[in-house]
Parts: sequence; C-alpha cells; structure tokens
Amino acid sequence: DAKTTQPNSMESNEEEPVHLPCNHSTISGTDYIHWYRQLPSQGPEYVIHGLTSNVNNRMASLAIAEDRKSSTLILHRATLRDAAVYYCILSIGYSTLTFGKGTMLLVSP
Amino acid sequence: DTEVTQTPKHLVMGMTNKKSLKCEQHMGHRAMYWYKQKAKKPPELMFVYSYEKLSINESVPSRFSPECPNSSLLNLHLHALQPEDSALYLCASSQVSPSSYGYTFGSGTRLTVV
Repeated sequence: DAKTTQPNSMESNEEEPVHLPCNHSTISGTDYIHWYRQLPSQGPEYVIHGLTSNVNNRMASLAIAEDRKSSTLILHRATLRDAAVYYCILSIGYSTLTFGKGTMLLVSP
Repeated sequence: DTEVTQTPKHLVMGMTNKKSLKCEQHMGHRAMYWYKQKAKKPPELMFVYSYEKLSINESVPSRFSPECPNSSLLNLHLHALQPEDSALYLCASSQVSPSSYGYTFGSGTRLTVV
C-alpha cells in the first residue's frame, strides 16, 4: 500500500482557516486521495476525496499538488466541532482503506 | 438513509460469554467491513465482505466469527474473548469499489472484556 505522512498534531484558533498537509510521494497514477476525520468516541467520518483536480464540498476543500505527491485539506473556518483526528489515505480500485496515524487537530476558542 | 447503525453501543462481557455485534445499512452498499480500534490508535481492518461473501480475513483469531446474512446486515460473533480484545469495533460499508466513493462508518461498539 502506498503510504502517507502527516504531522502528529496541529493547533488552530476558532474561525481561522486550517491547512492540514499530507505527503504521499509514492502515489500511483490511479490512487485516490481520501480524507476522513474521527471525533472523540465516534467512528471515522468521510470528509472529501479526489484524484487529480482540487475538490470542494460543504465540509472542506482538497488541494492536490500538480505532481500529486502531496495534498492539503483545507477547513475554511475552524470550529470547536472540527477538533478531531484527520486521516489522509490513498485508495485504489477495490483496495480497502488502511489508516495511518493521522493528525490530531486542536481548536482553541 | 445514509447511515450505518451499530448495536449495541456498549458491551461488557466475561471471557466465557458469547455475544454478537450487529451492523446494518440500507444504502445498497455491497461491501461491508469490520475494523478494530484500540485506544489512541488508528482503526485496523479485520474482515471484508463483498456481495455477502467473505473476501478478506486479516488473520483474525477464530474467537471472532463474522457473518453476513444478507446485503444489509453484518454480524460479528464473539466467543471466549481475552481482556486485550477490549476495543472499539467499527463497521463500515461502501460501494464495491470504495476508492471512487469512500466508506460510511458506524459509531462503533465499545467492547470491554472482563
């Protein structure tokens, strides 16, 4: 499985934008980039995914580097409810999701 | 319905007990998964069912026995568990090709083995 590298933790203030980085230098041409988050005592929650182009949805934006070796999850205005562990995962075809350690996002009022 | 429902939410069982965890989805997903998550660790895949057939068993001990009675239901039967099996057990479902669509997870069953 192609691997991802994320910072262990990041901090943000409420109502500020948050940029969560993910490196995936061994990504193959058909790997999708998925982001999930897990709030305390909850199951993981789908956030966004993409292949080559930047993606936007109601939760976040995903910016994918031109060479696809890195990506950034963007939360436009962090709230206290966004405090969670964020997982960046590569997925291809019928493969299952393999979770790495993720980034713990702390949001301060 | 866009949810995966897991029951019970909490379970305490003795090492000689037999219990079952239940997972249900009505999104028409034909792939279903069991993950195990220990405290402060990422989820780890246990089993995958595709079209109601077991397709992946990640070398899980036989005291965990999965079952997929139909396309909407997934069970995990537990027998003779050890205290180290205490964890959050997560069920998920997806289209058979999850890379294009992603997974939907349930909230999990928090299992304590005493």
